[in-house]
Amino acid sequence: GESVGLHLPTLSVQEGDNSIINCAYSNSASDYFIWYKQESGKGPQFIIDIRSNMDKRQGQRVTVLLNKTVKHLSLQIAATQPGDSAVYFCAENIRGGSEKLVFGKGTKLTVNP
Amino acid sequence: DTEVTQTPKHLVMGMTNKKSLKCEQHMGHRAMYWYKQKAKKPPELMFVYSYEKLSINESVPSRFSPECPNSSLLNLHLHALQPEDSALYLCASSRPSGNEQFFGPGTRLTVL
Repeated sequence: GESVGLHLPTLSVQEGDNSIINCAYSNSASDYFIWYKQESGKGPQFIIDIRSNMDKRQGQRVTVLLNKTVKHLSLQIAATQPGDSAVYFCAENIRGGSEKLVFGKGTKLTVNP
Repeated sequence: DTEVTQTPKHLVMGMTNKKSLKCEQHMGHRAMYWYKQKAKKPPELMFVYSYEKLSINESVPSRFSPECPNSSLLNLHLHALQPEDSALYLCASSRPSGNEQFFGPGTRLTVL
């Protein structure tokens, strides 16, 4: 089932601000999560991932936080830039297999200059 | 080569036509996927191939027929489609033991 959802369908921020995109999931068996960025007319692009044995993972300007207690995932983007404008999807994979990803509904991020 | 390529980029077809979508990757990935994405919706899984064998079919209508000729290629054969099948069709690949899926740019399909 579609167990991955999002709290906000749209998010608008000013350039230079930090952005936080949230995701709720309901499948407690999920042990791997990915954030994808999809720009208009393009395929999803991998941003960052996290396994369920971690609470936080950092990349370049991005941080993913995982709260297994409340089944919540968030993506933080530091110093948001106009090029960050896109739709962001969280996706979960059950039991660590590479077979199937279930995507959340997506959040459209708009960065205003 | 770290990308997934898809052809054609755009396709317009009638309901009686037969066409094929093609996907190719040269990353040595042994799992390949077809997704369907409607406007403003997330990608929905259609098929999974693992080691060139079909491992998952998400109850997709038979008018969509996947084929994996070898470990680098994935096709999606289309026949007698309906206008509601119009969507962006995405191909992805991954290492079988890994979880990160790499997506192609998609084929924008319009069924008239």
